[in-house]
Amino acid sequence: KAGVTQTPRYLIKTRGQQVTLSCSPISGHRSVSWYQQTPGQGLQFLFEYFSETQRNKGNFPGRFSGRQFSNSRSEMNVSTLELGDSALYLCASSLRMSSATNEKLFFGSGTQLSVL
Amino acid sequence: DAKTTQPPSMDCAEGRAANLPCNHSTISGNEYVYWYRQIHSQGPQYIIHGLKNNETNEMASLIITEDRKSSTLILPHATLRDTAVYYCIAYAGNNRKLIWGLGTSLAVNP
Repeated sequence: KAGVTQTPRYLIKTRGQQVTLSCSPISGHRSVSWYQQTPGQGLQFLFEYFSETQRNKGNFPGRFSGRQFSNSRSEMNVSTLELGDSALYLCASSLRMSSATNEKLFFGSGTQLSVL
Repeated sequence: DAKTTQPPSMDCAEGRAANLPCNHSTISGNEYVYWYRQIHSQGPQYIIHGLKNNETNEMASLIITEDRKSSTLILPHATLRDTAVYYCIAYAGNNRKLIWGLGTSLAVNP
């Protein structure tokens, strides 16, 4: 079974540009959540998508957005890039069977974004 | 969500047991304790989780205190490949708005 796939692996952009990152979850997984990881902050929750709907959102500005497609693949977009957006962006997938089920997360290798 | 506290770094000799502690004094009754590890430049990898009882799998053992305010991850025979950052987090059900600390950076030395 293929794992979580994130593309691209590395990305270099300049301030003011926008970027789109992609995440393909494990087959059968319907939930995709996104995290930003920086050296001093650790993993910060961005948002989660399930059945093409955003279910939860972290404390990030509106420049950060996402969506999920009917095949559960997800994209996140960052507009008007700032230097501080340089980070490793991780996505995680899970089954999300029910609200009562505790589930482990499966992470991709991430997209390393550098903003110059 | 429960916040967890871990020591920033630990050392362990290869072949010895590595015992990584975690405090989660504000954990709720329905929150499980999960452990993940992250090897440099990769995404976190699930290790083990538990609610009340001690758990063991092929990777590690998890010891949770009776009051559930702390836990210990045990790698019984650490190898160089276990060098990684280990995260302890507590969550329940479908909550994905998780609070990840900075974890414990474990260095396994030859």
